[in-house]
Amino acid sequence: EPEVTQTPSHQVTQMGQEVILRCVPISNHLYFYWYRQILGQKVEFLVSFYNNEISEKSEIFDDQFSVERPDGSNFTLKIRSTKLEDSAMYFCASSDPWGQGGGSYNSPLHFGNGTRLTVT
Amino acid sequence: GQQVMQIPQYQHVQEGEDFTTYCNSSTTLSNIQWYKQRPGGHPVFLIQLVKSGEVKKQKRLTFQFGEAKKNSSLHITATQTTDVGTYFCAGTGNQFYFGTGTSLTVIP
Repeated sequence: EPEVTQTPSHQVTQMGQEVILRCVPISNHLYFYWYRQILGQKVEFLVSFYNNEISEKSEIFDDQFSVERPDGSNFTLKIRSTKLEDSAMYFCASSDPWGQGGGSYNSPLHFGNGTRLTVT
Repeated sequence: GQQVMQIPQYQHVQEGEDFTTYCNSSTTLSNIQWYKQRPGGHPVFLIQLVKSGEVKKQKRLTFQFGEAKKNSSLHITATQTTDVGTYFCAGTGNQFYFGTGTSLTVIP
């Protein structure tokens, strides 16, 4: 079964450094998402991406965050100047717009295994 | 912004007991999805409910969507140790808003 893959599985960085988290969504999916989960807490929406542009973003997704689909397969999340509070598990997800019920917001999300970001 | 709350936050049950988690939204939802996250894992899609009052079953799991499409529940009959994990509802309006989650522990 196709999977969403994320690299690296664990990233340690110093405060103020830039990090890029990488994701390869499922190949025929058209909607892409980033979520984060601070240890033991809920899954928080960051951003959704469709047709090479951001379709929705949350209050968390401020100017230090950016997303990019640099080629036909990768989807990246960049954090420009990391803060201690950015430490979390970052999940990439993708969905098939023609899945159950049709339309991006009716389609199940397929999550990757996540990248654990530790900011020291 | 949209708030999706779940209760309880934690639930410990003896194996074989039933379990229910409740999901409540501050706004009307287009549909609701349920996900399960095993410890150390990622959320995995379980089911989607679309219609007001809809009830769906998956083996020992029963999912309900409220008449007003602002609440939902997941009921597990006769829990097993494999049911351990955190169960999230996710409401879709303009975004997927995940609920606060209910962490289920099953004691053998």
